[in-house]
Amino acid sequence: AQTVTQSQPEMSVQEAETVTLSCTYDTSESDYYLFWYKQPPSRQMILVIRQEAYKQQNATENRFSVNFQKAAKSFSLKISDSQLGDAAMYFCACDSNYQLIWGAGTKLIIKP
Amino acid sequence: GAGVSQSPSNKVTEKGKDVELRCDPISGHTALYWYRQSLGQGLEFLIYFQGNSAPDKSGLPSDRFSAERTGGSVSTLTIQRTQQEDSAVYLCASSLGLAGGGPYEQYFGPGTRLTVT
Repeated sequence: AQTVTQSQPEMSVQEAETVTLSCTYDTSESDYYLFWYKQPPSRQMILVIRQEAYKQQNATENRFSVNFQKAAKSFSLKISDSQLGDAAMYFCACDSNYQLIWGAGTKLIIKP
Repeated sequence: GAGVSQSPSNKVTEKGKDVELRCDPISGHTALYWYRQSLGQGLEFLIYFQGNSAPDKSGLPSDRFSAERTGGSVSTLTIQRTQQEDSAVYLCASSLGLAGGGPYEQYFGPGTRLTVT
């Protein structure tokens, strides 16, 4: 069965600093996509970034970037220049056919 | 364009009553998903629709839960004889599904917060 593991239930970072959220996954697929979603207190789930497994280049979206290690099945999210608005739950997900397999989430706290 | 909408945004009901939650997906999205999220927890998959059919109902927690989708668009999740443990946020998401050929990124609605008293 495919699984996604987020081993950090909670992380905190000083405003303007950099933080990395970890995610590992297990899949038998050779071609797949990985996602990071953000859920702020408003509870609206928002797609942050996605990575295509067959692309070796790490995806980047402004202050958000990933470190994708396919052999290690690792997909971490780096947030640079953390802002107060980045405070949220972050979920990692891997697509499996028609579904997304979700991690348990990491709560990110931004210290002003 | 319009995103996924859900109604009501909040619902308070008495134990034993039936409730209906509605989801309006993004136009053209053939896949629709229902999730349940308890306070501070992750996403619990409930059911997946491709068009009007539900090939995967494996997440429905009991026979009190049912869902339907008509016209390949709007979906309703019905909970009969609600219990206090049903209290949670119910999230709906849609995606291009099989027609899209991947990636199957999902777009979420704002959720319905259900409170059973």
